[in-house]
Amino acid sequence: GNSVTQMEGPVTLSEEAFLTINCTYTATGYPSLFWYVQYPGEGLQLLLKATKADDKGSNKGFEATYRKETTSFHLEKGSVQVSDSAVYFCAFHSGAGSYQLTFGKGTKLSVIP
Amino acid sequence: GAVVSQHPSRVICKSGTSVKIECRSLDFQATTMFWYRQFPKQSLMLMATSNEGSKATYEQGVEKDKFLINHASLTLSTLTVTSAHPEDSSFYICSAREPRQGINIQYFGAGTRLSVL
Repeated sequence: GNSVTQMEGPVTLSEEAFLTINCTYTATGYPSLFWYVQYPGEGLQLLLKATKADDKGSNKGFEATYRKETTSFHLEKGSVQVSDSAVYFCAFHSGAGSYQLTFGKGTKLSVIP
Repeated sequence: GAVVSQHPSRVICKSGTSVKIECRSLDFQATTMFWYRQFPKQSLMLMATSNEGSKATYEQGVEKDKFLINHASLTLSTLTVTSAHPEDSSFYICSAREPRQGINIQYFGAGTRLSVL
């Protein structure tokens, strides 16, 4: 069945460190891929997305590339800030006609000054 | 991006009472809304898909009579937890599908923390 596997957290980094959060998926069809971010006490916000192979989604310095051959969508940022501290969720929906999102378990990131 | 408002943000109730949670799309019409439940340190679990003007579609294992969903307009869906018990305590999040952007992006509310005493 459909599933998303994310690296387990928590992840603690110093400010300006490089961030990678791994995400792999198992899906039928040709999924669209998403990263959502959840700041403390808030709902989820769409961070970035990619809809086809080799697409790179980017936003606020974060990037992720849709790798169909490895079924991966790893999130990266070159220099994290304290304000990036949040929980990050990888998700997908399976394509045309499917509106349901399948989420990973989330990865908590803490950035310390 | 589009805005989804969820209310209340936090509710504490006695066991046996019912609680209604509202989810509104503020600047777009949402024919489809979703209700999720999030357990501590876990991912979001889809409870049901709410379609405007029709009955909600519930995921396997979710009690329809326990979690009543009404999607009476293109901007409002409600989730009512009936006869709440302590095991219903959780974080409930709604989302609304914004169809105009073509790839069915979901925008999320801020969530409702339900505590049943």
